Amino acid sequence: EPEVTQTPSHQVTQMGQEVILRCVPISNHLYFYWYRQILGQKVEFLVSFYNNEISEKSEIFDDQFSVERPDGSNFTLKIRSTKLEDSAMYFCASRGDLTGYTFGSGTRLTVV
Amino acid sequence: AQKVTQAQTEISVVEKEDVTLDCVYETRDTTYYLFWYKQPPSGELVFLIRRNSFDEQNEISGRYSWNFQKSTSSFNFTITASQVVDSAVYFCALGGHGSGGSNYKLTFGKGTLLTVNP
Repeated sequence: EPEVTQTPSHQVTQMGQEVILRCVPISNHLYFYWYRQILGQKVEFLVSFYNNEISEKSEIFDDQFSVERPDGSNFTLKIRSTKLEDSAMYFCASRGDLTGYTFGSGTRLTVV
Repeated sequence: AQKVTQAQTEISVVEKEDVTLDCVYETRDTTYYLFWYKQPPSGELVFLIRRNSFDEQNEISGRYSWNFQKSTSSFNFTITASQVVDSAVYFCALGGHGSGGSNYKLTFGKGTLLTVNP
């Protein structure tokens, strides 16, 4: 069964450093998403991406965040200058026109 | 705005008991989807079911069953004869078109931690 692949599974970074989280969505999917889950809390929408542009973003997705689909297969989330409160599990998801969501297994980001 | 309420924060049962996890949602969309995901301690989100707002048929999959009632905006999940392996956090989620576009973002509830004791 097709999967959404996220790398790395764990990342530890120092406060103020830039971090890039990578995702390979399912190849024929058209819509791409990032979600975030702070430890012990609910999963929150960050951003959606369609047709090579952001279609919606949440209040969480401020200027420190950016997304990119650089080569037609990868879908990345960049955090420019990480803060302690960015520590969370980040989930990538993709979907096709008629299919449901498929989530990746997540990247656990720890900012120290 | 969309909202999902899972009023049960934690539930603890003994193996072989039946357990129902409640989910109540709010949306102005006429077309929407409801989901249940399981999150084991390893952290990934495991898809369990997606239900279209036009399909109110209840569904059964093995020990799992779902009761969708549009009249009460509820989408409850029942595990029959629970097992220790069912221990996890369960999330209910609502997906809609919001402003009318095709964005279809998901709004999650806060989750219910189910502990099944041997």
